[in-house]
Amino acid sequence: DVKVTQSSRYLVKRTGEKVFLECVQDMDHENMFWYRQDPGLGLRLIYFSYDVKMKEKGDIPEGYSVSREKKERFSLILESASTNQTSMYLCASSGLALAGGYNEQFFGPGTRLTVL
Amino acid sequence: KNQVEQSPQSLIILEGKNCTLQCNYTVSPFSNLRWYKQDTGRGPVSLTIMTFSENTKSNGRYTATLDADTKQSSLHITASQLSDSASYICVVKGTYKYIFGTGTRLKVLA
Repeated sequence: DVKVTQSSRYLVKRTGEKVFLECVQDMDHENMFWYRQDPGLGLRLIYFSYDVKMKEKGDIPEGYSVSREKKERFSLILESASTNQTSMYLCASSGLALAGGYNEQFFGPGTRLTVL
Repeated sequence: KNQVEQSPQSLIILEGKNCTLQCNYTVSPFSNLRWYKQDTGRGPVSLTIMTFSENTKSNGRYTATLDADTKQSSLHITASQLSDSASYICVVKGTYKYIFGTGTRLKVLA
């Protein structure tokens, strides 16, 4: 079974703090994603990475950065946390699609971040 | 604009009853469509995934249909159980991006 783990289930931080969210997958997947999920909105893509040291901006990258030094690990960094970054953060990974096949996304359990 | 719209936003049914959730999309080009179940406070878990050529797929009591001509999908839940209470999210993959619906929140009552 694919396993995607996130470092914390719940996190409370203060405005202005630097916050690190860690995600690890154990299936040697090439692609990794960070989303945030807010009530009434679908999952919104913050950043994704298709290879080690590679990163691409998603739809809402402002205020975030990412790091992928190893294939299995993808970190989301909030440089200076703000109250509007209070949200549920979900990490996902997927492998390369084989011809005629799927490259399904597998999600971690999520980190609920509260910024006070 | 690529969009995925789900209806209803929320639904309450009695245990043992059937229900159908809807998903309409405008994503183009279309790669595949997935239905996820998300329990409160948890990450989404895949239920079904369908490509252009598949028009129905089952996973136990869950049956998804896809009409690629009308760009509509449905998720039918048979003989609902209390554990089906969750949000159900429809996701359409275009060339590179995944477009997420806002989900249908289902509550099953005893």
